[in-house]
Amino acid sequence: GAVVSQHPSWVICKSGTSVKIECRSLDFQATTMFWYRQFPKQSLMLMATSNEGSKATYEQGVEKDKFLINHASLTLSTLTVTSAHPEDSSFYICSARDSSSGIFGTQYFGPGTRLLVL
Amino acid sequence: AQKVTQAQTEISVVEKEDVTLDCVYETRDTTYYLFWYKQPPSGELVFLIRRNSFDEQNEISGRYSWNFQKSTSSFNFTITASQVVDSAVYFCALSDYNNNDMRFGAGTRLTVKP
Repeated sequence: GAVVSQHPSWVICKSGTSVKIECRSLDFQATTMFWYRQFPKQSLMLMATSNEGSKATYEQGVEKDKFLINHASLTLSTLTVTSAHPEDSSFYICSARDSSSGIFGTQYFGPGTRLLVL
Repeated sequence: AQKVTQAQTEISVVEKEDVTLDCVYETRDTTYYLFWYKQPPSGELVFLIRRNSFDEQNEISGRYSWNFQKSTSSFNFTITASQVVDSAVYFCALSDYNNNDMRFGAGTRLTVKP
C-alpha cells in the first residue's frame, strides 16, 4: 500500500513551453500533497504545500505564477511549470500524506519527474 | 527555524565494513519527527525510518540501526556489514509534528566498494 505515482517520469521540452506533472496517490486519499525540487547533487527543497480544494502555500522564493499547483481531488495534484526555462530543469518530487492518519500521517514520496528544458 | 545538518558529504567504504552516517538537527519545537531516506541512482526516495521526538529508543532493523540522542540533537544511522547495494545518497529529514514543513539535510553519498 501507500503508493504515489508521478507522470511523466521524464520530460524534455523547449524553452517557453509549459509542462504539467501529475502526482497521484494510488491506494489512499491525500488531503495534503507536497512538491519538492531537487537540483543535481543537491538536497530536496520544499516548493509548496497543496491542500485539496484550496490554494497552495508556496515557500519563500518560489514563484506561484510560474509553478501552478492544482489539487482538485483527494488523489491528484498537478504542478504546471509555465513558460519553462533551462534553469527550471530539475528533478521534481511530490509526496502525499495519507488522510486516514490525520495530520500525523507519513508523507509518501513519488518516484520523481526529471524535467529538462532546452 | 528547522535545520538538518549532514556534515559528511561523501563516504567511501569497502564491503563488509560498518559505516555511520551522522545527522544533527535544530528545531524549536518540542514535538517533531525525524526521518531517514535512501535515494539510489534511480532517484526514487526509499523510506527507511520515522521517529517521533518522544521516542528515544534506538532501533535496529536487520543491518540498519539508528541512534537518537535528544541531548545532542542527533539521529545517526549505522549500516553494519555494508554491501554494494547500499551505495546511494542518504537523507536525514525533520518535520514538525503536523508532518508539514519537512526539511532535508544535504545528503551523504555512500559508496560501498566490492
